[in-house]
Amino acid sequence: DIQMTQSPSSLSASVGDTVTITCRASQIIDKFVNWYQHISGRAPRLLIYATSDSRSGVPSRFSGSGSGTYFTLTINSLQPEDFATYYCQQTYSTPWTFGQGTKVDIK
Amino acid sequence: QVFLVQSGAEVKKPGASVKVSCEASGYIFSNFGIQWVRQAPGQSLEWMGWIHGGSGDTEYSQKFQDRLTVTRAASTAYMELTSLRSEDTAVYYCASDARSFLGVPYFDYWGRGTLVTVSS
Repeated sequence: DIQMTQSPSSLSASVGDTVTITCRASQIIDKFVNWYQHISGRAPRLLIYATSDSRSGVPSRFSGSGSGTYFTLTINSLQPEDFATYYCQQTYSTPWTFGQGTKVDIK
Repeated sequence: QVFLVQSGAEVKKPGASVKVSCEASGYIFSNFGIQWVRQAPGQSLEWMGWIHGGSGDTEYSQKFQDRLTVTRAASTAYMELTSLRSEDTAVYYCASDARSFLGVPYFDYWGRGTLVTVSS
């Protein structure tokens, strides 16, 4: 199985900050990485697919990049509604696997 | 607008089975797959398996191969997990899938989840 190592596991930030979350795959997975936002009690929400494509309706402050084994999610100018847990996911080969999550909370 | 409406919370005893439904609307069910993902308390998301809405083809994570059955009827997908144990206590999500222009699969829309509690 492909392991997705996500870091940090948590971070504290202020409104207006820029935050970057990283995900490293245990093998080369081309651009087969997606990013999701999850607020407890709600359905997870797709933000970015295929490494850098933004899902329709997702604010432009969310962006993704990377290739091979190293991927990042960047949130520019953090907003109050962005405090949540973020997960990377690989869909290069089954079983699809997720990172351990990064909880972003208010400093 | 796409909706995935899941069945309600369940409480089961160890050794029992649970069947969770996921009713889809707002898109052509037969053109896409339904993925099943779970999240145990304090844990990350874990992919379990999927079914194609049209062909009925399925694929399961090896971890659940012998206990999981995913089916569909009309625009509803079902996930049945047997021989439940306490470690199966989790929120179970369904999600519709799609593929990017270059063929990268992703989980487009998600249900709100079904809490399954396994306790004696």
